Formats: sequence, C-alpha cells, structure tokens
Amino acid sequence: NAGVMQNPRHLVRRRGQEARLRCSPMKGHSHVYWYRQLPEEGLKFMVYLQKENIIDESGMPKERFSAEFPKEGPSILRIQQVVRGDSAAYFCASTTYAGAGYNEQFFGPGTRLTVL
Amino acid sequence: RKEVEQDPGPFNVPEGATVAFNCTYSNSASQSFFWYRQDCRKEPKLLMSVYSSGNEDGRFTAQLNRASQYISLLIRDSKLSDSATYLCVVERGSGNTPLVFGKGTRLSVIA
Repeated sequence: NAGVMQNPRHLVRRRGQEARLRCSPMKGHSHVYWYRQLPEEGLKFMVYLQKENIIDESGMPKERFSAEFPKEGPSILRIQQVVRGDSAAYFCASTTYAGAGYNEQFFGPGTRLTVL
Repeated sequence: RKEVEQDPGPFNVPEGATVAFNCTYSNSASQSFFWYRQDCRKEPKLLMSVYSSGNEDGRFTAQLNRASQYISLLIRDSKLSDSATYLCVVERGSGNTPLVFGKGTRLSVIA
C-alpha cells in the first residue's frame, strides 16, 4: 500500500521559469492539501482540493500559483515565473473523508524547489 | 499573535533525560491537536494526538489545556533517536480543515 507520492523530489529552476509539482494521494484518498515550508520556518497551508474541486485556497498567493486535482491523475501545484523567494519544500498530504471529526493527513516526502 | 507558538530551542539533553515542550494556540475554535515529528529534510510524521484527558504512548505523554489554549509534550528517558524537530499542530476548524503548524522545537539528545 504505497503512501503519498510526490515528484520530482528535487527541482531546480531559473528565475522566470515554471515549476510543476505532482502529488499522488494514498489509495482511496480523495482529498489533498498542499503546504509550503520555507527555510527555518514551519509548514504553511496553501490549498485544499478534492477531486475536480478547490475547497480552500486561502493560503495560496494570489498571483503565479495555481493548483488542480483532476478526476484522473495526480494533483498538480503550478508556479509560474518562479522567483528566488519560491525556494522551499512543498509537501502534499492526503486524507479520506469520513464526515465530521478529524481525518489524519498523511504527508508525502516533499518536493524541494530551488530557484537560481 | 501567531496561530501556534513554540519555543524553537534547541534543547540539548543527555540520553536518559526527561524533556518537556510547550505550545500555545490562538484559535479557540480548534478541535484537534497533535504533535508531529520532523527529521532533517524529511516530511512531518504524526507522533501523537493530544486530548484534554491527556494521553500517553510509551515514553511520550501529551496534554491539552483548552482553557489556557496550551499543549505540552513530555519525553521521558530520551534516546539518541529522539533527536528531531517536534511540531505542535492544530487543526484550524473541525473536520477536514487545514493544519496549522508551529515552527517546531529542535531536540538534540547527546550520548
């Protein structure tokens, strides 16, 4: 039973290029969260998606960042025209939905983005 | 005020020591509370959930005080393998809502 998978694990981009980060949730999970961890900082929520829907994007920067979770395939976090300040570890977490109450979020290994 | 605040440490303790971490949170609507562990350059992993009644898992004991909005983690008989960053984590609302992470407290257990 594979856990949450993210790829690539490391991504290097030059300023102005695009970065695409992929997240495949655990089998049976239909909810995905993206978090960003800047150097020496805690994880910060970016966006919460369900299949084909964005549920909460309150943590997503208004420009250059977008996310999707199509019916088929992984969730994608896309960063256009990257800047040095985008260098960070990007983690995704998946969960199932079981109604009220907390459902554990399982984290992937992260993608480390370096912008030169 | 930050949503979740922790002492960043580092805490450098000898093997066998008892160490305690504290955390405060600002959102009184939060319903679920956790301690995660993060090793260097790895993903966070759930260590334990935290309940008002307190819960214990081997050498680890967690406690929640809702009135004071305070969470604690006690590690007894520290092992070298306990060296990591410990993250205080609060669910923003109730049921499938984002997690809010503290910056973490770094622990180094020394032989």
